[in-house]
Amino acid sequence: LAKTTQPISMDSYEGQEVNITCSHNNIATNDYITWYQQFPSQGPRFIIQGYKTKVTNEVASLFIPADRKSSTLSLPRVSLSDTAVYYCLVGDGGGFKTIFGAGTRLFVKA
Amino acid sequence: EAQVTQNPRYLITVTGKKLTVTCSQNMNHEYMSWYRQDPGLGLRQIYYSMNVEVTDKGDVPEGYKVSRKEKRNFPLILESPSPNQTSLYFCASSLGVLETGELFFGEGSRLTVL
Repeated sequence: LAKTTQPISMDSYEGQEVNITCSHNNIATNDYITWYQQFPSQGPRFIIQGYKTKVTNEVASLFIPADRKSSTLSLPRVSLSDTAVYYCLVGDGGGFKTIFGAGTRLFVKA
Repeated sequence: EAQVTQNPRYLITVTGKKLTVTCSQNMNHEYMSWYRQDPGLGLRQIYYSMNVEVTDKGDVPEGYKVSRKEKRNFPLILESPSPNQTSLYFCASSLGVLETGELFFGEGSRLTVL
């Protein structure tokens, strides 16, 4: 099962772009990469998912290099409400085990 | 409204007193899973179920039991709770194709075992 490694915390200012990188050296061929956002006392919420190259939706972009050993979540123009914990999740292609890392605590300042 | 519902949201109990945390989803999802969240450790998977009557262990199954007798419900059972099971618990569900789907989480159940 692929283990993920993320920075423990990051600080940013409103209006800046934030990039959070996740390492997953043992990612399997069938695994997708998914990012979740969690606010205090709430369940995680899906942000974006991808397999390779680049995926973009209305809230974020996900960059995955060719070797897929890492991925970068990009949040454009963050606001105070983006202060949360962000988790990188790599799916187990065979058995639906899910491994969340410890997450990255993003703090957005005014 | 599509949702995952957990009960109770908060519970204080004593060591050894059996308890059940219920989880129900109304999205006809095949896959359901339980996680616990502890400070600094992120979310750790306890058990998961790919379909009715099919369950499997996650990373931290010790001290827990689950059952999946019907698609919508996936209760978490603590037969003899201990203080180290004090934690925030989340239930989640997905369509069943996790690699290309998203997990929908409940609001969490905060359990304290004295």
